[in-house]
Amino acid sequence: DTGVSQNPRHKITKRGQNVTFRCDPISEHNRLYWYRQTLGQGPEFLTYFQNEAQLEKSRLLSDRFSAERPKGSFSTLEIQRTEQGDSAMYLCASSFRSTGDRTGELFFGEGSRLTVL
Amino acid sequence: AQRVTQPEKLLSVFKGAPVELKCNYSYSGSPELFWYVQYSRQRLQLLLRHISRESIKGFTADLNKGETSFHLKKPFAQEEDSAMYYCALSPPGGFKTIFGAGTRLFVKA
Repeated sequence: DTGVSQNPRHKITKRGQNVTFRCDPISEHNRLYWYRQTLGQGPEFLTYFQNEAQLEKSRLLSDRFSAERPKGSFSTLEIQRTEQGDSAMYLCASSFRSTGDRTGELFFGEGSRLTVL
Repeated sequence: AQRVTQPEKLLSVFKGAPVELKCNYSYSGSPELFWYVQYSRQRLQLLLRHISRESIKGFTADLNKGETSFHLKKPFAQEEDSAMYYCALSPPGGFKTIFGAGTRLFVKA
């Protein structure tokens, strides 16, 4: 297992197009997170999955954004009708938390950089 | 509101000098606090967490609940410490980790 894997690493698209990012977490991790990072800022929380259930979505996640984690394995983040303001690094992270544990360490992927022209 | 503030965007020190990266948080309760680090061309990774009370790569961080601070310290900076450092907070029993804007540490030879 080489850690959290994200694809594609870079995506350049024209405004109005749809894009999809994929995240493959560490196999035994039950939690999966999506974050967005823009220049000069720290990662901003977008959404979170516990196994296949999406348990929280940030207000940052407009209705143009949708995330799925079928079967509790890999996850996809789709952005419809992209806007220039969507240009950012999209980070995926996974963690393992058993009952009673505090928040687990986040293991990040290398990110998918989106540029909307 | 839950918030993490890192007041310095950039911190530049000489090799061998002490370094302190400041972090203040806003949360009414007892959150879990972390420092994450991103070295050049590497992914973001955990450096340390307050519940571990351990020193990693010579770094320590003390939680001051009165001042709601979690500053990261190292007595003698090394060139390989140059990186982007993010302070982060997670509510107890929660799952959402909130990050500060980060501080870039540059250690000069």
